[in-house]
Amino acid sequence: GQNIDQPTEMTATEGAIVQINCTYQTSGFNGLFWYQQHAGEAPTFLSYNVLDGLEEKGRFSSFLSRSKGYSYLLLKELQMKDSASYLCAVRERDKLSFGAGTTVTVRA
Amino acid sequence: GAVVSQHPSWVICKSGTSVKIECRSLDFQATTMFWYRQFPKQSLMLMATSNEGSKATYEQGVEKDKFLINHASLTLSTLTVTSAHPEDSSFYICSARGTANQPQHFGDGTRLSIL
Repeated sequence: GQNIDQPTEMTATEGAIVQINCTYQTSGFNGLFWYQQHAGEAPTFLSYNVLDGLEEKGRFSSFLSRSKGYSYLLLKELQMKDSASYLCAVRERDKLSFGAGTTVTVRA
Repeated sequence: GAVVSQHPSWVICKSGTSVKIECRSLDFQATTMFWYRQFPKQSLMLMATSNEGSKATYEQGVEKDKFLINHASLTLSTLTVTSAHPEDSSFYICSARGTANQPQHFGDGTRLSIL
């Protein structure tokens, strides 16, 4: 199984940068995913890392270090609509396990 | 992008009723579909994994006779909550993916309330 840890809450102002860290322990790592989930809605896919390094997608970037069991999601130029829960998910073989999520609140 | 449709969005029904939730992949063939349950302010908990044409694989603690899963085609999976009770009230979300290395794409979820 996996232990997936990420902070519970983060707050930042509009236009700022937020980094959400995720640490995990797994025996059969097969990729790490980040999802965004607005309250009452289903998660939407943001990014996927399977090799070490940084993946950039517009305002969102995700980094992975497999040797450290560590990933982060970087949100740049924060907008009010970015207020949501961000879920770190680790795939072990064919099964995806989710962290508890980090609630990001963006303030004007 | 990949689209997964889930219906119904909301269900409110009496205790003892059976409820069927459908999950469809609209623009890709979903080799594997997953069913999750999410309680308020908690993360998604995997209930079962279903491969097209095979019996679903249930996670520990999930009753297969209570939560019936059918995955008869590459675009449709159904979850039936049999004889639902108030403790089954939750947010049920399906996801689907094509090949093994592709990400899972989620349906919009079904909010189930059992009175």
